[in-house]
Amino acid sequence: AQKVTQAQTEISVVEKEDVTLDCVYETRDTTYYLFWYKQPPSGELVFLIRRNSFDEQNEISGRYSWNFQKSTSSFNFTITASQVVDSAVYFCALDPYNFNKFYFGSGTKLNVKP
Amino acid sequence: IAGITQAPTSQILAAGRRMTLRCTQDMRHNAMYWYRQDLGLGLRLIHYSNTAGTTGKGEVPDGYSVSRANTDDFPLTLASAVPSQTSVYFCASSDRAGGFNEQFFGPGTRLTVL
Repeated sequence: AQKVTQAQTEISVVEKEDVTLDCVYETRDTTYYLFWYKQPPSGELVFLIRRNSFDEQNEISGRYSWNFQKSTSSFNFTITASQVVDSAVYFCALDPYNFNKFYFGSGTKLNVKP
Repeated sequence: IAGITQAPTSQILAAGRRMTLRCTQDMRHNAMYWYRQDLGLGLRLIHYSNTAGTTGKGEVPDGYSVSRANTDDFPLTLASAVPSQTSVYFCASSDRAGGFNEQFFGPGTRLTVL
């Protein structure tokens, strides 16, 4: 079975706080791909990052960082020094190799208050 | 650069009516997808097309049909709309199906079936 779980439905933080969004996935495939997308209040979906199952290196991009751990089937996303513009719904997605389909989590709504 | 366009932006439809949601991409991507987004459920795949002339069923295909006559267009048809099809519909495309390819999303169509 392919599944992505984002247990945090909604998180509220005050600006400049760090926040981590959790993503846990299930797949029997040894090759797969993981993605994070951002959906701001305007509604469009914006690609943030992708990872393949053979690359467990953490990645940092400005205030964003991602921690991929195969041992716990997790691909967590941390925003450092959050800003109001980070307010959005964030989706984690799994693309099992050869399935040609994305499995999205239910999303985490992040509210960053000034 | 338009990317992916969807039409209409929003629509209110009477139950039992037929409706086609349009999707056009100008990136010459091979693969295209239709998702529906419902609160608390994230995005769920309705249908997909790996290349022009081929289509496949996703997670929630019932009540929907698609066609892929050419590379650019991927219309989604509701033959006889029902209230449970009230949702936001997103069209997406990727360079090729599966693998390490992010999907690019259109702006969405908000459909209300009364």
